[in-house]
Amino acid sequence: EDKVVQSPLSLVVHEGDTVTLNCSYEVTNFRSLLWYKQEKKAPTFLFMLTSSGIEKKSGRLSSILDKKELFSILNITATQTGDSAVYLCAVEDVRTYKYIFGTGTRLKVLA
Amino acid sequence: GAVVSQHPSWVICKSGTSVKIECRSLDFQATTMFWYRQFPKQSLMLMATSNEGSKATYEQGVEKDKFLINHASLTLSTLTVTSAHPEDSSFYICSGAQGYEQYFGPGTRLTVT
Repeated sequence: EDKVVQSPLSLVVHEGDTVTLNCSYEVTNFRSLLWYKQEKKAPTFLFMLTSSGIEKKSGRLSSILDKKELFSILNITATQTGDSAVYLCAVEDVRTYKYIFGTGTRLKVLA
Repeated sequence: GAVVSQHPSWVICKSGTSVKIECRSLDFQATTMFWYRQFPKQSLMLMATSNEGSKATYEQGVEKDKFLINHASLTLSTLTVTSAHPEDSSFYICSGAQGYEQYFGPGTRLTVT
């Protein structure tokens, strides 16, 4: 059965810290891995990764995919209180177009 | 571009009544739309895949007679929660697919009293 596992489940840091969120997957028909940020509403898109080893970057956020070891990480540097959210990882099944979501990592950044 | 809307954004209904949630793709045609449910502090769970002009495909464990999905046009899919019960209270999110990418609606919070 396809699954996506995120760790840690929750994390509390102070402003300015750097955090690394993990996402591992077992999905037979992998097409892409996506990261989302969710506050008190629907998730907002951060990154889509399809190729191994190519880092995607947006401001203080970056992400990379390892298709051999079947995982991805999301890094957030110089965290701010506005980064507090649930970060969701999803893997897309190339046959069905479905997204399989992980459990999410709940990040809280303290001032 | 690629904006998806949902209506209503929140709804409170009494147990036993039915509630309809609309999902619209505003600036693109979505031949496929997905419906998710999210319980508090949990991840998104796919309920069903809705294809325009055909019957929806439901995930295992999702009651098709309870969660009626209609995808009547390329820009509109509806989810009707029939005979709602308090355990149906949840956050319902739809997404419209354009190619391989999904664009999420803002979600509908349903509370059944």
